[in-house]
Amino acid sequence: QLQLQESGPGLVKPSETLSLTCNVSGGSISSRIYYWAWIRQSPGKGLEWIGSIYYRGSTYYSPSLKSRVTISIDTSKNQFSLQLNSVTAADTAVYYCARRGGQWDNIDYWGQGSLVTVSS
Amino acid sequence: SSELTQDPAVSVALGQTVSITCQGDSLRSYYASWYQQKPGQAPILVIYGKNNRPSGIPDRFSGSSSGTTTSLTITGAQAEDEADYYCHSRDTSGNHLLLFGGGTKLSVL
Repeated sequence: QLQLQESGPGLVKPSETLSLTCNVSGGSISSRIYYWAWIRQSPGKGLEWIGSIYYRGSTYYSPSLKSRVTISIDTSKNQFSLQLNSVTAADTAVYYCARRGGQWDNIDYWGQGSLVTVSS
Repeated sequence: SSELTQDPAVSVALGQTVSITCQGDSLRSYYASWYQQKPGQAPILVIYGKNNRPSGIPDRFSGSSSGTTTSLTITGAQAEDEADYYCHSRDTSGNHLLLFGGGTKLSVL
């Protein structure tokens, strides 16, 4: 059974960089038919796609966040990471990592989510 | 880029049938998938592709689509179906850009 687990600081100061890592277990991150995604959910709000990465390193970002986001992958550690710089209170959210793709192009596995609060 | 539009809230009487809809131009080209999210939990996939349910999802959940609209139908809604539901698909402006609908809060009365 595939499992995804987010890790990283739960509190980040305004203007600093938010960094999270997603550890993938129970399966290989180097699968050719899946992409690995970051999705967030601000308190009381809906789901927002942040970006995705393929095991070979190709990245795709939400146009609204593209200027501040970097997603990277480490196949040797079976993990991928998110960096969001110049954060503000509006970036306070639960951040999910997820697997997307396969025959039907859907998100079939999600991490449990990691709450990141931006506050001084 | 395009967007996916959902009604913010829908209610259904216990045991009755309800449909939750999602509209967007990208749905002409791409299948949507549907996710159920209960408070404090990660979303779970309930419908994908033309009308497929992952293992463990009750058969009272079904999906359909026509043109720019896709629907999630719950036939015989149960109390445990009360949750937020999100549709998800690709954006028409780029093959790997993704979209979520704004979500529909389903109340089972």
